[in-house]
Amino acid sequence: AQSVSQHNHHVILSEAASLELGCNYSYGGTVNLFWYVQYPGQHLQLLLKYFSGDPLVKGIKGFEAEFIKSKFSFNLRKPSVQWSDTAEYFCAVNAGGATNKLIFGTGTLLAVQP
Amino acid sequence: GAVVSQHPSWVICKSGTSVKIECRSLDFQATTMFWYRQFPKQSLMLMATSNEGSKATYEQGVEKDKFLINHASLTLSTLTVTSAHPEDSSFYICSARMTGASNYGYTFGSGTRLTVV
Repeated sequence: AQSVSQHNHHVILSEAASLELGCNYSYGGTVNLFWYVQYPGQHLQLLLKYFSGDPLVKGIKGFEAEFIKSKFSFNLRKPSVQWSDTAEYFCAVNAGGATNKLIFGTGTLLAVQP
Repeated sequence: GAVVSQHPSWVICKSGTSVKIECRSLDFQATTMFWYRQFPKQSLMLMATSNEGSKATYEQGVEKDKFLINHASLTLSTLTVTSAHPEDSSFYICSARMTGASNYGYTFGSGTRLTVV
């Protein structure tokens, strides 16, 4: 069965610090990978997604993620975080098939201190 | 862009009653919709996949008789929590995937906070 693990449950950073959130998945075949963000009191929003092609994917708000197939990883990065990036971040994987269901990681709560 | 409307946004009900949650795709057709449950400070757990015109596919451990899913049209799926108990209190989120989408686009509803007292 597919699974997604996010190693960091809570991350606290100061503004302008660099961010990297880890995400690993377990599935041997072709996958589609996603990062979602959930701001306090809001619904999930898509940050970026990877289907194929360039393994370095750029998303909204200055976020990017790199797909490393050999490591089964899809880490999220941002060179300089802002206070407004305070939110919960979820990695998700879809391994295709008839249902195309998304499996989510446990989430990482990011708090950015001004 | 694609919008999914989920209603109600919050509901409080008495133990033993049933609650229906609606999920509508407003500007696109969704052959498949997904229902998730999110406990405080935890991730989204997929409960079931709802397919238009057919029975839902439930994840292991999810009681299909308790969480009734109906997907009667390409724009509406409903989740009914039957005989709700306090342990059913949670945040329920639906997601819809555009029919025929080649980019695996998923759109999420804003969620329903269910509190059973």
